[in-house]
Amino acid sequence: GESVGLHLPTLSVQEGDNSIINCAYSNSASDYFIWYKQESGKGPQFIIDIRSNMDKRQGQRVTVLLNKTVKHLSLQIAATQPGDSAVYFCAWGDDYKLSFGAGTTVTVRA
Amino acid sequence: NAGVTQTPKFQVLKTGQSMTLQCAQDMNHEYMSWYRQDPGMGLRLIHYSVGAGITDQGEVPNGYNVSRSTTEDFPLRLLSAAPSQTSVYFCASSYGVQGDYGYTFGSGTRLTVV
Repeated sequence: GESVGLHLPTLSVQEGDNSIINCAYSNSASDYFIWYKQESGKGPQFIIDIRSNMDKRQGQRVTVLLNKTVKHLSLQIAATQPGDSAVYFCAWGDDYKLSFGAGTTVTVRA
Repeated sequence: NAGVTQTPKFQVLKTGQSMTLQCAQDMNHEYMSWYRQDPGMGLRLIHYSVGAGITDQGEVPNGYNVSRSTTEDFPLRLLSAAPSQTSVYFCASSYGVQGDYGYTFGSGTRLTVV
């Protein structure tokens, strides 16, 4: 699943509100899904992952939901903070190779 | 524990020049991979390796070579640089088993080909 285009989806969130970032993946055979956060000038930073035998997984302030029927992945961030401003990528694949979505830019308003 | 280390951080090449992007990890990960990231796009897989001596092509392998002589190192070679290879390159490594670590990425090499 290659994504094309120069304009990333954007999400503007008020500080303290919850954020929901969505992702449609293309390979129905994928068994591993990850969410990454990327700040300007840095490499992707692991947030949370989920296997295909699960439909929900929770971490600290984050929850990932997986709907294999419609090939949809979402990331929920509770009580969004200014430090959450970044580009968020979903990725799917297996243990050694991934495909990435185009990313969503999240901006947190004070 | 340095994680995944990439060098150089920045590089400018002339069209036709060759160079090697270095990647090293100290986590004893079996799996390593190279991605490129272009503006407004997600990362795309160039090459990957599931262990020393084993490499395979990813989504966009043309113009790049890799080798994996040790577990720690996975260099990416540009044979004859082209402006289309201007990008940010990321190296990643993983255990290859389920866990909370996912993949670990390096900080990237920003390459400009003029």
